[in-house]
Amino acid sequence: AQSVTQLGSHVSVSEGALVLLRCNYSSSVPPYLFWYVQYPNQGLQLLLKYTTGATLVKGINGFEAEFKKSETSFHLTKPSAHMSDAAEYFCAAETGTASKLTFGTGTRLQVTL
Amino acid sequence: DGGITQSPKYLFRKEGQNVTLSCEQNLNHDAMYWYRQDPGQGLRLIYYSQIVNDFQKGDIAEGYSVSREKKESFPLTVTSAQKNPTAFYLCASSSLSGVAYNEQFFGPGTRLTVL
Repeated sequence: AQSVTQLGSHVSVSEGALVLLRCNYSSSVPPYLFWYVQYPNQGLQLLLKYTTGATLVKGINGFEAEFKKSETSFHLTKPSAHMSDAAEYFCAAETGTASKLTFGTGTRLQVTL
Repeated sequence: DGGITQSPKYLFRKEGQNVTLSCEQNLNHDAMYWYRQDPGQGLRLIYYSQIVNDFQKGDIAEGYSVSREKKESFPLTVTSAQKNPTAFYLCASSSLSGVAYNEQFFGPGTRLTVL
């Protein structure tokens, strides 16, 4: 069964610092991978997705993620954090069954001045 | 505007009562999903439906029921058999359209509190 692990339930960075949110998946078949962002009391919004092709994926709001098959990882990065990036971030994987997603437990990003 | 609507945004229920959460989409998506979100546990799949009049259990279906009588609607009933129903419930939809990696679009959620 597919599983997704997000290391660090809370990450705190200073405004302007690098953001790195970690995601690892477990699957013998490389899945399709997604990062979603959730602001308080709202639904999830897609940041970016990896399906096939280029392993470095660029998303909205300056975020990007790199698919590394050898490390079974899909870490999310942003070069310079902004206060508006404070939110909860979810990594998810899909293995092709009815577009069902398996979600990680989420990482809450705090951005400080 | 196309999107997914969920109502109500906040819902309070007494123990022992059934309650129905609404989810409507006008994206013409084939598949619809219900998730439950609890702090520190991410999103867990309750039920999903790929086509009208058909649906499948997800990982935590016990105490919940759904129907899919119309393509655009996928209501979720939280029954009195659900032992811990207080949570944030999210509805999502996706277009299956023959490819497996269509993203899911999410509604704004319903926060259910059992008093």
